[in-house]
Amino acid sequence: RKEVEQDPGPFNVPEGATVAFNCTYSNSASQSFFWYRQDCRKEPKLLMSVYSSGNEDGRFTAQLNRASQYISLLIRDSKLSDSATYLCVVNKRGGADGLTFGKGTHLIIQP
Amino acid sequence: DVKVTQSSRYLVKRTGEKVFLECVQDMDHENMFWYRQDPGLGLRLIYFSYDVKMKEKGDIPEGYSVSREKKERFSLILESASTNQTSMYLCASSGGGTDTQYFGPGTRLTVL
Repeated sequence: RKEVEQDPGPFNVPEGATVAFNCTYSNSASQSFFWYRQDCRKEPKLLMSVYSSGNEDGRFTAQLNRASQYISLLIRDSKLSDSATYLCVVNKRGGADGLTFGKGTHLIIQP
Repeated sequence: DVKVTQSSRYLVKRTGEKVFLECVQDMDHENMFWYRQDPGLGLRLIYFSYDVKMKEKGDIPEGYSVSREKKERFSLILESASTNQTSMYLCASSGGGTDTQYFGPGTRLTVL
């Protein structure tokens, strides 16, 4: 099983629709979870951290399911500007050992 | 705001040349990282450092070395560049007790 696995897409979604991505991770000891966003030819930027209780930031909702080892991201009322690659990220062991990045899910919002 | 800067956005070098990529962060972060990103392979960790003069190998350290003489600066060195090191190189830092990493804008290196 890959450390972090995502559907690469692309997901082609009409503007205004709701879209959801899932990601699975293999290390049950992982404690930190994130979604990053990466625009074409740019660096990854933190979108949101993912907490056990789930969290919401505007149109974005992230959920964590530790038992099944998956993380989800829901985008409501999608905008053209949401078009990007979304990277699922988990920590390796803790602290300075760094993060493991999924290869990303490519989202295209169509007018 | 955290700011991570990298010395060059684009770089073209010849096979066999020694290449230095520099990264500077201004948030007093303890941890710094070098990744490369290639289509279909995602981000792969080359080296990281959790303190001055400390370094740890990541997943793909072969052909690379690093230097961290000052807390804010982390350098990646390609001793003898090869064409398979053509890639996007991304530096990141983290600190303050969190795992969140902040990235620099990246250096797109082409080795001819």
